[in-house]
Amino acid sequence: QKEVEQNSGPLSVPEGAIASLNCTYSDRGSQSFFWYRQYSGKSPELIMSIYSNGDKEDGRFTAQLNKASQYVSLLIRDSQPSDSATYLCAIKYSSASKIIFGSGTRLSIRP
Amino acid sequence: DTGVSQDPRHKITKRGQNVTFRCDPISEHNRLYWYRQTLGQGPEFLTYFQNEAQLEKSRLLSDRFSAERPKGSFSTLEIQRTEQGDSAMYLCASSPRQWRGPYEQYFGPGTRLTVT
Repeated sequence: QKEVEQNSGPLSVPEGAIASLNCTYSDRGSQSFFWYRQYSGKSPELIMSIYSNGDKEDGRFTAQLNKASQYVSLLIRDSQPSDSATYLCAIKYSSASKIIFGSGTRLSIRP
Repeated sequence: DTGVSQDPRHKITKRGQNVTFRCDPISEHNRLYWYRQTLGQGPEFLTYFQNEAQLEKSRLLSDRFSAERPKGSFSTLEIQRTEQGDSAMYLCASSPRQWRGPYEQYFGPGTRLTVT
């Protein structure tokens, strides 16, 4: 079992709708959770971080964390074509410095 | 505030040659990380520096790979005797000193290595 699991997609969402991206992780020692956006051929760009249970909102983005269920999600409201990218879920253990990434979910926003 | 920079952005080399990549972290970030990413996968951790000390290395980092951060500022990653399997995007990230979470890491643009 991979440490960080994501559906590879592609996830197709109409413009203006809510895109919901999900991620599960296997280690309860995980401390911090991140969502990175990666356009094709580019490097990952940090868009959200969360380390407490519950919701964290930043503009059109909301990260949701449920440590009991080992589940983290990202909601993108009012989806725009520019949101089309691969979204990487990542975790950091409390005992380590590195970040462990999932393989990413490809999101496509259709006009 | 400039972001993380990496040089070169692209490198094509022949199998068996040595290559060296440079990373300049965000100023005042004392933590620096190297990752490798292949197509369709998320980045994989290679090594981590806190100031000039290399504190962690992945098993992915074979003896052909070496990284340095001599003065706690920029870092170099060298690959000796390159193999075709080394073809990947090499990513550098940095993070500031933090006493509590979330310990965010910020990535540079990457160096794309192609070994022919």
